[in-house]
Amino acid sequence: GDSVTQMEGPVTLSEEAFLTINCTYTATGYPSLFWYVQYPGEGLQLLLKATKADDKGSNKGFEATYRKETTSFHLEKGSVQVSDSAVYFCALYGSSNTGKLIFGQGTTLQVKP
Amino acid sequence: DTAVSQTPKYLVTQMGNDKSIKCEQNLGHDTMYWYKQDSKKFLKIMFSYNNKELIINETVPNRFSPKSPDKAHLNLHINSLELGDSAVYFCASRAGDNVQETQYFGPGTRLLVL
Repeated sequence: GDSVTQMEGPVTLSEEAFLTINCTYTATGYPSLFWYVQYPGEGLQLLLKATKADDKGSNKGFEATYRKETTSFHLEKGSVQVSDSAVYFCALYGSSNTGKLIFGQGTTLQVKP
Repeated sequence: DTAVSQTPKYLVTQMGNDKSIKCEQNLGHDTMYWYKQDSKKFLKIMFSYNNKELIINETVPNRFSPKSPDKAHLNLHINSLELGDSAVYFCASRAGDNVQETQYFGPGTRLLVL
């Protein structure tokens, strides 16, 4: 079945470091791919998305490219800030076409000053 | 101008009680969802309604019953609460014309069963 796998956390970085959070998926067809962010004590916010192969989603300095050949959607940011500390979720829509969003297990990012 | 709102934000209750969580969206979306987030942050879909009709019903105990009085509201009623029901419950909504559209989430309801 459809699934999303993210790198294990927590990821701890110093401010201004480069961030990569790996996400790979298993799905049939061409699902839309998403990154959501959950700040402490809050709900999920859409960070970025891509709807077809080779699309690049970007927002707030974060980027991710839809790679069909490697079934990946890795999240990157060139210079993280303390305020980026949060849990990041990679997600896709399942191939059942019922609008069911499937999440990875989440990766906690902690940025230290 | 809150898009997806939930009440209450926190809910502490005793085992065996019955409780409800309410969700409202003002985005004009046709589809609404309930998700459960466990203590390890894992998110799993529970239910989805499209225009008041149930379209997704995952393997959830029948103590959980969603109700959609209109397409802007999706409530979750839980009977005979158990310790394992302690979690954060998120409501979400999506425009209904494309099943791959973005889902927008509420702030969550933190349920603690004692």
